[in-house]
Amino acid sequence: EDKVVQSPLSLVVHEGDTVTLNCSYEVTNFRSLLWYKQEKKAPTFLFMLTSSGIEKKSGRLSSILDKKELSSILNITATQTGDSAIYLCAVSSGANSKLTFGKGITLSVRP
Amino acid sequence: DVKVTQSSRYLVKRTGEKVFLECVQDMDHENMFWYRQDPGLGLRLIYFSYDVKMKEKGDIPEGYSVSREKKERFSLILESASTNQTSMYLCASSGDSNQPQHFGDGTRLSIL
Repeated sequence: EDKVVQSPLSLVVHEGDTVTLNCSYEVTNFRSLLWYKQEKKAPTFLFMLTSSGIEKKSGRLSSILDKKELSSILNITATQTGDSAIYLCAVSSGANSKLTFGKGITLSVRP
Repeated sequence: DVKVTQSSRYLVKRTGEKVFLECVQDMDHENMFWYRQDPGLGLRLIYFSYDVKMKEKGDIPEGYSVSREKKERFSLILESASTNQTSMYLCASSGDSNQPQHFGDGTRLSIL
């Protein structure tokens, strides 16, 4: 059975802090790992990672995949209150690219 | 931008009713998915479809069925709603297998 585990499950930080969110996985026929941000409505796509060791960056957010360790991290630097959200990690596997999600990490950024 | 539209944001139904949740995407995507999201359990895949009239069971298909008569539309059906189907339902679509899934805003369904 495919499994994705995120940690920590929740954290509270102050504006300006840097945070690191973790995701580990056990799946057969790995295709890619994806990060999403979910505020009140639809999860919005952040990154898709397929190759180990190559950092993807978008503004203050960055992410990297380690296929040897079966894990990924999502970094957010200089956090802002608008970064408060649930961050979802998902792994795509199999011929139909089925996604298996972790339970999500709830990030709260205090002013 | 990809647009995935779910027909209702909030829905209240009674136990035993047949419930239809509709999802439409405007990007000619082959793949469409239905998930439910529950606190502490995350998103779990109910059914998915990779072509018109094709469907595959996900991880929790019991109590649900789906219909895909047209490429842009994917319907989730609760044959006889029960209280344990109270949840947030999310629809998603994607193009080929190398593209990310894009989500609709969700339908919060309450079964009384």
